[in-house]
Amino acid sequence: SQTIHQWPATLVQPVGSPLSLECTVEGTSNPNLYWYRQAAGRGLQLLFYSVGIGQISSEVPQNLSASRPQDRQFILSSKKLLLSDSGFYLCAWSPETETQYFGPGTRLLVL
Amino acid sequence: QKEVEQDPGPLSVPEGAIVSLNCTYSNSAFQYFMWYRQYSRKGPELLMYTYSSGNKEDGRFTAQVDKSSKYISLFIRDSQPSDSATYLCAMSKDTGTASKLTFGTGTRLQVTL
Repeated sequence: SQTIHQWPATLVQPVGSPLSLECTVEGTSNPNLYWYRQAAGRGLQLLFYSVGIGQISSEVPQNLSASRPQDRQFILSSKKLLLSDSGFYLCAWSPETETQYFGPGTRLLVL
Repeated sequence: QKEVEQDPGPLSVPEGAIVSLNCTYSNSAFQYFMWYRQYSRKGPELLMYTYSSGNKEDGRFTAQVDKSSKYISLFIRDSQPSDSATYLCAMSKDTGTASKLTFGTGTRLQVTL
């Protein structure tokens, strides 16, 4: 069966510091991968998605970036965090169907 | 206007009640409809997935889609305290290379003893 991992689970970072969140999927190959941010009362906002290694599509302009160095690894990064980057970050994967399966999430607090 | 509207609740019901959760949407291009359950501080968990109009049942859960009214529902029978969570509806438009979901903001459900 497929499993999706995210780490760290919780992160507290100062404004202006860099960020690296990692997501890995097990038990499948060539999945579509997604990064979302969830803010209270605002639902899930799609940030990036990837259909293959090195292929990244950005959905919203921001100071975040994503990379997919390996088939089942998806990384969310920032060079300088802003207060507004605080939130719950979720990674998801999808097979060839329309469904998406989410990881446990990373709670980021920027102070 | 948001593409997907969902009442945020909270919705409080007694144990054993039938729960009805709903979403409306504005874009008739949506074809695939999903319901996710999200416990506090956890990732969303896929509950139901339906294509086009009709009903789908899985245990105590029934998903209903009415494309003519642009309205989808999730019914929970014999609700349990463990059903207390936020329920998110989601939908997508096509079967392109990457499915992109549009989510409602979620309805918080509390099932009381």
